[in-house]
Amino acid sequence: QKEVEQNSGPLSVPEGAIASLNCTYSDRGSQSFFWYRQYSGKSPELIMSIYSNGDKEDGRFTAQLNKASQYVSLLIRDSQPSDSATYLCAVNNGANSKLTFGKGITLSVRP
Amino acid sequence: NAGVTQTPKFRILKIGQSMTLQCTQDMNHNYMYWYRQDPGMGLKLIYYSVGAGITDKGEVPNGYNVSRSTTEDFPLRLELAAPSQTSVYFCASSYSTSGSRTGELFFGEGSRLTVL
Repeated sequence: QKEVEQNSGPLSVPEGAIASLNCTYSDRGSQSFFWYRQYSGKSPELIMSIYSNGDKEDGRFTAQLNKASQYVSLLIRDSQPSDSATYLCAVNNGANSKLTFGKGITLSVRP
Repeated sequence: NAGVTQTPKFRILKIGQSMTLQCTQDMNHNYMYWYRQDPGMGLKLIYYSVGAGITDKGEVPNGYNVSRSTTEDFPLRLELAAPSQTSVYFCASSYSTSGSRTGELFFGEGSRLTVL
């Protein structure tokens, strides 16, 4: 059973702080990794993807991947109240784009 | 741009009833998926399809059926609805596995189903 684990939440940070969201996965054959954001009552939307070890930056978001430790994280710099949402980690082992999702962590950014 | 369209958005069913959740996409994606999301449980894959005429089971297929007669449409059928099927259902589509877009799913707005 392929598993994706995320920190139990919720996570609360003040506006302007760095939010750090973590995820571990069990399948060493996993090839691609994703962070989806889901606002309350809405559908998930892709915000970051990462395929190789290291960091990938996109605006205020940085995804970090360490395949040896089977660990992927998302850093949100200068957090804004609009970042308040549930963040889902997803992992793809390459078979038919079937993603395994974590349970998600709810982030709350306090003004 | 419509993207992925699901209907209905809300539905209440009685135990034992059947219904079909409709899903259509206009992005010419080969891959389509049905997920269910229960509170605090993330997304669980029910069924997926890699192209017209091809479907396969995901993690939680029991109590559901699918068909894929066209690239655009991927309906999900619930037979003999049970309270355990109360959930939010998301249809999604994606590009094929080749290339850098693998795993980028485009989701519909969801269908909230309650079985009483």
